[in-house]
Amino acid sequence: AQSVTQLDSQVPVFEEAPVELRCNYSSSVSVYLFWYVQYPNQGLQLLLKYLSGSTLVESINGFEAEFNKSQTSFHLRKPSVHISDTAEYFCAVRPQYGNKLVFGAGTILRVKS
Amino acid sequence: GAGVSQSPSNKVTEKGKDVELRCDPISGHTALYWYRQSLGQGLEFLIYFQGNSAPDKSGLPSDRFSAERTGGSVSTLTIQRTQQEDSAVYLCASSPQSNYGYTFGSGTRLTVV
Repeated sequence: AQSVTQLDSQVPVFEEAPVELRCNYSSSVSVYLFWYVQYPNQGLQLLLKYLSGSTLVESINGFEAEFNKSQTSFHLRKPSVHISDTAEYFCAVRPQYGNKLVFGAGTILRVKS
Repeated sequence: GAGVSQSPSNKVTEKGKDVELRCDPISGHTALYWYRQSLGQGLEFLIYFQGNSAPDKSGLPSDRFSAERTGGSVSTLTIQRTQQEDSAVYLCASSPQSNYGYTFGSGTRLTVV
C-alpha cells in the first residue's frame, strides 16, 4: 500500500517570495508522482507529474517538483509566487502497475500582498 | 464531452433518504474513479471502474454505498439511508487506459440535514 504525507497543512507567504510545499511518500513498489491544485470553488487540476526520466519536472505556470528517490520526496517549489497561486495543493502517488491514486491531506497556500 | 461532468453540482437531502450522484466521463476514457473530499479528511478513494467492472471497491465506507457503470460510460454512485457524516464533496475522475493522470469533474456537494 502507498501513503502520502504533506508536512504542512497551511503555508502563508508574501507575494513574490519563494515557496516550497513538502511531500513525502511511502511505497513498497515503484510509483508515479503527481501534484494537483484546487483553486477556491473549483475542481482538481493536474499541475505536474513525474513518470520517468529527469527527476525535475516543471509546470507551465512556474512551479517545479523534484523526485528524490532516496528521501522518498516530491517537494513542490516556486521561486516567486503570485496572489493567483492561492489554492490548495495535493500531492499524490500511483503504483506503476496499479490504477489507484493515493492523495495527501493537502496544503493550503495563502499568498498575501 | 470535453471534460468530466458531474450532476447535480449541489444536493441537499434529509437524513435517511437515498441519493444518486451521476458522473459522465470523458468520451473514450475506460477508467473511472470516485473519491470523497471531506473537510479535514483530504481525498478518500471510494471505487474504481475499468470498463463496466469494478476491480477495486475497497474504499466504499459501508454497504449503504454502491456504484455502477453502464456502457463503459456513465457511472452512478448511490448512497442509501444517508447520514450526516456522508456530507462531503463527491468527486469523479476518468483516465484513458494508457495514461497516468486523472481528469476530475467539479464534484457534487452533498449536504445531509
